[in-house]
Amino acid sequence: AQSVAQPEDQVNVAEGNPLTVKCTYSVSGNPYLFWYVQYPNRGLQFLLKYITGDNLVKGSYGFEAEFNKSQTSFHLKKPSALVSDSALYFCAVSPADSGGYQKVTFGTGTKLQVIP
Amino acid sequence: EPEVTQTPSHQVTQMGQEVILRCVPISNHLYFYWYRQILGQKVEFLVSFYNNEISEKSEIFDDQFSVERPDGSNFTLKIRSTKLEDSAMYFCASIDREGYEQYFGPGTRLTVT
Repeated sequence: AQSVAQPEDQVNVAEGNPLTVKCTYSVSGNPYLFWYVQYPNRGLQFLLKYITGDNLVKGSYGFEAEFNKSQTSFHLKKPSALVSDSALYFCAVSPADSGGYQKVTFGTGTKLQVIP
Repeated sequence: EPEVTQTPSHQVTQMGQEVILRCVPISNHLYFYWYRQILGQKVEFLVSFYNNEISEKSEIFDDQFSVERPDGSNFTLKIRSTKLEDSAMYFCASIDREGYEQYFGPGTRLTVT
C-alpha cells in the first residue's frame, strides 16, 4: 500500500524568504509524485509532478520540488514566498509501475502561512 | 482552459435520503475518479472509473455508493441512504489520455443532518 507523510501541519515563513514544505512517501516500485494546492473553499489545483528524468521539477507559480529516491522525499520549494502563496498544500503519490491512471494517495496536508 | 465542473456546490440532506452528486469531466479525458475530504482531514480515494466500469474502489465505497456515466459528459456519484458520517467535501477528478496528473473539480460539500 502507498502512503505519504507530511510531517508539518503548518509552516510559517516571512514574505520574500525561501520556503520548504516537506513530503516523504512510501510506494511499491517507482513513484509518480505530485503537489497540489488548495485555497479556502476551492478545489485541488495541480502544481507540479515528478514522473521520470530530472530530479528537480518546476511547476506553476515559481514552485519547484526535488525528488530524492534514497530519502524517499519530494519536498516542495520556492525561492521567495509571496503572501498569496498562503494555502493548504498536499503531496500525493501513485505507483508508476501500474501506469499513469492509478488512484492518488494524498498526505494530510501542510498549511503554509506567509507573513507580510 | 478546460475545467472539471461539479454540481451542486453545496447539498444538504437528511439522514437516510439518497443524493446524487454530479460532475462534468474535461471532455477528452478517459479516466474518472471520486475522492472525499472530511473536514480537517486528508483527501481519500473512493473510486476510479474507465470504459464504463469501475477500475478500483476503496473500502469506503460500499454498497451504498454507486457511480455512473449516463451520457458522454456527466459522471455521477450516488449515495443511496446517507449517514451522518458521509458529510464531507466530494471531489471529482479526471485524467487525459497521457495519464499522470488528475484534474480536480471545485467539489461538492455534502452536509447530512
